[in-house]
Amino acid sequence: GENVEQHPSTLSVQEGDSAVIKCTYSDSASNYFPWYKQELGKRPQLIIDIRSNVGEKKDQRIAVTLNKTAKHFSLHITETQPEDSAVYFCAANYGKLTFGQGTILTVHP
Amino acid sequence: GAVVSQHPSRVICKSGTSVKIECRSLDFQATTMFWYRQFPKKSLMLMATSNEGSKATYEQGVEKDKFLINHASLTLSTLTVTSAHPEDSSFYICSATMTGGGTGELFFGEGSRLTVL
Repeated sequence: GENVEQHPSTLSVQEGDSAVIKCTYSDSASNYFPWYKQELGKRPQLIIDIRSNVGEKKDQRIAVTLNKTAKHFSLHITETQPEDSAVYFCAANYGKLTFGQGTILTVHP
Repeated sequence: GAVVSQHPSRVICKSGTSVKIECRSLDFQATTMFWYRQFPKKSLMLMATSNEGSKATYEQGVEKDKFLINHASLTLSTLTVTSAHPEDSSFYICSATMTGGGTGELFFGEGSRLTVL
């Protein structure tokens, strides 16, 4: 089955800095790669996603890049704000979503 | 946007009792729903895939007799934790995808925090 590895497990940045979270996946058939933000005790919220026919996608301060050959994808958050602090999960989909281990992002004011 | 509602949000029960959690897609039909379990500060672990009108497909290591899943309609799936024990205490989350194609996006319920005393 699919295996998704996510790094780092924790990330601490200063407000205004950029944050990058990386994921690798094992199943080359995976074709959908969403990123979720989850605040404590809340449901995961989709923040951005990318499909395998696209190499990069951007939505305001958030961008995702995908390298199909290397089977890795990354989340980039620019101009971070304290409200960006949360746990972020990547996922890869081939029939069902497999989640990465999560990254606890802390943005210090 | 698509809304998935999960109920109850919190439940406390005694060891040995059974607890039912409901997952409803409020404004769309969901052929497939997924049930996840999440431990504190950990990722979402897929427990089973629930298809309307058929038996759920369980992930390896998940006891199907322990975690009963029913998907009776295109808008409702239920997870019943039978004979619950303290080790079953966890955050359970459901998700659903739209039928008829869609984007493949998953829509999550609010989650249900189960505490077994």
